[in-house]
Amino acid sequence: KAGVTQTPRYLIKTRGQQVTLSCSPISGHRSVSWYQQTPGQGLQFLFEYFSETQRNKGNFPGRFSGRQFSNSRSEMNVSTLELGDSALYLCASSSRDRDTEAFFGQGTRLTVV
Amino acid sequence: GESVGLHLPTLSVQEGDNSIINCAYSNSASDYFIWYKQESGKGPQFIIDIRSNMDKRQGQRVTVLLNKTVKHLSLQIAATQPGDSAVYFCAESLKGGAQKLVFGQGTRLTINP
Repeated sequence: KAGVTQTPRYLIKTRGQQVTLSCSPISGHRSVSWYQQTPGQGLQFLFEYFSETQRNKGNFPGRFSGRQFSNSRSEMNVSTLELGDSALYLCASSSRDRDTEAFFGQGTRLTVV
Repeated sequence: GESVGLHLPTLSVQEGDNSIINCAYSNSASDYFIWYKQESGKGPQFIIDIRSNMDKRQGQRVTVLLNKTVKHLSLQIAATQPGDSAVYFCAESLKGGAQKLVFGQGTRLTINP
């Protein structure tokens, strides 16, 4: 059974650009959560999608957005990139509503220059 | 490899010794707790979880202890091995599941031969 797949693994973008990251959950999983990981702030929750609906949202500006497709694949978008957006972006999937275990992908390392 | 934290608390133990990693969580209303292990270049990996109606749970070589009075969580690893070297995070949830987690800062565990 394939794990959570995030693409691309690495990205370099320029300030002011936008970026789209992709997450394919484990087959059959319907919940996808996104996290930002930085040395200074650690792991912080961005948002969670379940059955194509955003169910939870963290404390990030509106430049951070996401969506989920009918096949449960999810994308997150960051517009007007800032240097501080450089981070490892992780997604996690779980199998059903209020499931207890979330499986993480390897992340996308975004560098903003 | 990935740098998950430049100023993490660190713990060094001898191979074969037991390790205890501590975590103070933030919200007294949290009802579900997880320990994750993150190796360089990888996403967090589930180790063990515990619900707020329990104070101890054991897995294979790992034990989690929960003290709700002082909002403290600990992870005990028995007979540590070189493969246990990683950053360990505790995470809490208000919703009884792993869809929206609040992570601690992490502890870097180093196993000395």
